Amino acid sequence: EVQLVESGGGSVQPGGSLRLSCVASGFDFGSYWMHWVRQIPGKGLVWVSRVNKDGTTTDYADSAKGRFTISRDNAKSTVYLQMNGLKAEDSAVYYCVRDDTGAFHNWGQGTLVTVSS
Amino acid sequence: YVLTQPPSVSVAPGQTARITCGGHNLESKGVHWSQQRPGQAPVLVIFYDSDRPSGIPERFSGSNSGNTATLTINRVEAGDEADYYCQVWDSTTDHVVFGGGTKLNVV
Repeated sequence: EVQLVESGGGSVQPGGSLRLSCVASGFDFGSYWMHWVRQIPGKGLVWVSRVNKDGTTTDYADSAKGRFTISRDNAKSTVYLQMNGLKAEDSAVYYCVRDDTGAFHNWGQGTLVTVSS
Repeated sequence: YVLTQPPSVSVAPGQTARITCGGHNLESKGVHWSQQRPGQAPVLVIFYDSDRPSGIPERFSGSNSGNTATLTINRVEAGDEADYYCQVWDSTTDHVVFGGGTKLNVV
């Protein structure tokens, strides 16, 4: 069974940093692209970032570019999202997602990030 | 790239629900649909326009033609009440794009 378990969310002041982690199991982690998607409670899904199978290629939404960094450790079956310079508008539930040939076949349960003074 | 969905669709139990997703020349892209029940993470229900993941009932189907993709749910049940999102890959920007979501009300 595929499992994606996010952690690292919490409350942080504007300008602060957080690192989200997502531990994967139940599949060959190193064979799949991985993504982060966020959702403000009550609002829609917004794509944040993706990383290729070996971590050498990354893409970011405009809102994340220059502030967020996605990375992965295939030996630990873990994908990360380092978030710096956090703003109130970054407050959301962040989901880790497995990309199987372009479709999001598996989602984690999400981790809540709250940016507030 | 912009995907446009109606904010809500209402249907009676046992009837057919159709949720649309509009985008420029959408038929040239592979469209995926996810279902998100209240308080839960999204679940993929249709990928690449019309394929169904294992475990998804045959009541769920999809199509994509011209500028519109459609998710069809036959014999709607109370448990189908959820938000539905369409999604594509925009190769121009190397971004994933989601539609704004459609709330399916089973009334």
